[in-house]
Amino acid sequence: AAGVIQSPRHLIKEKRETATLKCYPIPRHDTVYWYQQGPGQDPQFLISFYEKMQSDKGSIPDRFSAQQFSDYHSELNMSSLELGDSALYFCASSLNSGATKNIQYFGAGTRLSVL
Amino acid sequence: AQSVAQPEDQVNVAEGNPLTVKCTYSVSGNPYLFWYVQYPNRGLQFLLKYITGDNLVKGSYGFEAEFNKSQTSFHLKKPSALVSDSALYFCAVRDGPNAGKSTFGDGTTLTVKP
Repeated sequence: AAGVIQSPRHLIKEKRETATLKCYPIPRHDTVYWYQQGPGQDPQFLISFYEKMQSDKGSIPDRFSAQQFSDYHSELNMSSLELGDSALYFCASSLNSGATKNIQYFGAGTRLSVL
Repeated sequence: AQSVAQPEDQVNVAEGNPLTVKCTYSVSGNPYLFWYVQYPNRGLQFLLKYITGDNLVKGSYGFEAEFNKSQTSFHLKKPSALVSDSALYFCAVRDGPNAGKSTFGDGTTLTVKP
C-alpha cells in the first residue's frame, strides 16, 4: 500500500538559508500534518491542513510557512534557518472519514541539519 | 488543552515476559488515544487507537492497551515481549474528532533483552 512520501530524506543547510520540505500524503487522504522532532524529543505539532485550508496551528515559528496544494501535497517552507531548526521533520496524513478516521500515518521524515 | 504524560523514560524487560508502557492523559472533552512506535531512523508507525467502545483495544504486533477513564490512563501492554519490540513508544491524545493535532508524550524507550 502507498505510504506518505517525504522529500528530501536528508537536507543540509547553512544558517540564514532557506529550505523547502515536501510531503505527498497517502492517496485520497485529505488532511496533512507537520511535526518537528528534535534529538531525543517527542514530535511537536507545527501545522495542519484539511482540504487545502489551514486547520490547526501549533508551535510553528513565524519564519516557517506551509501550504497544501490542489493535489493535496504539502510543502513546509523554512527561511532564515537557525542551528536550532536542526531536527527530524515528519509529515503525516489522514482521511477525515471512514474506519481509519483520526489515524495519522507518518512519512519517514526529512532530517534537516543546519550548519 | 490536551496533554499526555509518559512517566517512564525507559522500560526494560526480558524476552518472553509481559511488558507495560504507561500513559496518562488530560483533555477537556472525549479523549481519542493512540499509541505509535518509532524504530531508529524511521517514521512513527500506528499501533492502536481508542475512540469509543471496549476499554481493551487490540492493535498491531500483539500489542493491546486498556483505556481507564477514572485513572485517565491508556497503558500499552503485551503478554510476551520480543527482542524486536525494542523501540521508542509514543502515546498521543486528541481532544475529540475535530482537534487538528495530536499531542504526543515524551516517549518511552522499550528495551527487551534476550
